[in-house]
Amino acid sequence: DAGVIQSPRHEVTEMGQEVTLRCKPISGHNSLFWYRQTMMRGLELLIYFNNNVPIDDSGMPEDRFSAKMPNASFSTLKIQPSEPRDSAVYFCASRPASSGNTIYFGEGSWLTVV
Amino acid sequence: ELKVEQNPLFLSMQEGKNYTIYCNYSTTSDRLYWYRQDPGKSLESLFVLLSNGAVKQEGRLMASLDTKARLSTLHITAAVHDLSATYFCAVDIMDSNYQLIWGAGTKLIIKP
Repeated sequence: DAGVIQSPRHEVTEMGQEVTLRCKPISGHNSLFWYRQTMMRGLELLIYFNNNVPIDDSGMPEDRFSAKMPNASFSTLKIQPSEPRDSAVYFCASRPASSGNTIYFGEGSWLTVV
Repeated sequence: ELKVEQNPLFLSMQEGKNYTIYCNYSTTSDRLYWYRQDPGKSLESLFVLLSNGAVKQEGRLMASLDTKARLSTLHITAAVHDLSATYFCAVDIMDSNYQLIWGAGTKLIIKP
């Protein structure tokens, strides 16, 4: 299995630009998570989907952030407009349907907004 | 409030020593997970503990779960430099199959 695939792996962008992060979950997993990790705030859950439906987006910092999951094999996290404080590592993760299963993380997208 | 507390948050130790990382949680749960993160890398699953009294071992690491005390421990035996990493514990919310509550992580540095 290829694991959770994220792109881009690294992105440097200017403040005000739109950023789109992409994720392909592991085939057969029906839960998908977007996390953000920074030194200051640690690991934060932004949003998670179950069967392509957003279940809880209370972790999304503000309206500049949006996430979609149009089908079971693809999700995006968009930041528009981006700000320097959005600089972080963004992890996508997926999990099988059964309880007691671990979450599998992608390699992360390292975002720097200058 | 649902909380997962790890301690210590930072640990520096010598090779060959033993030590334990603690993970306390506030919610009712019988599913607990340990992850490892190397600097600049993603999170990797180490152990899944699914019942009271569960014990899992892999090499020099051993994890256990006491659901009555709401406590899990990660014990390191005869530490080696390669175990230097940040270790996270996470707990399933009992009324959801979807979300984990995470500890802040324990940064472990093992000196040669």
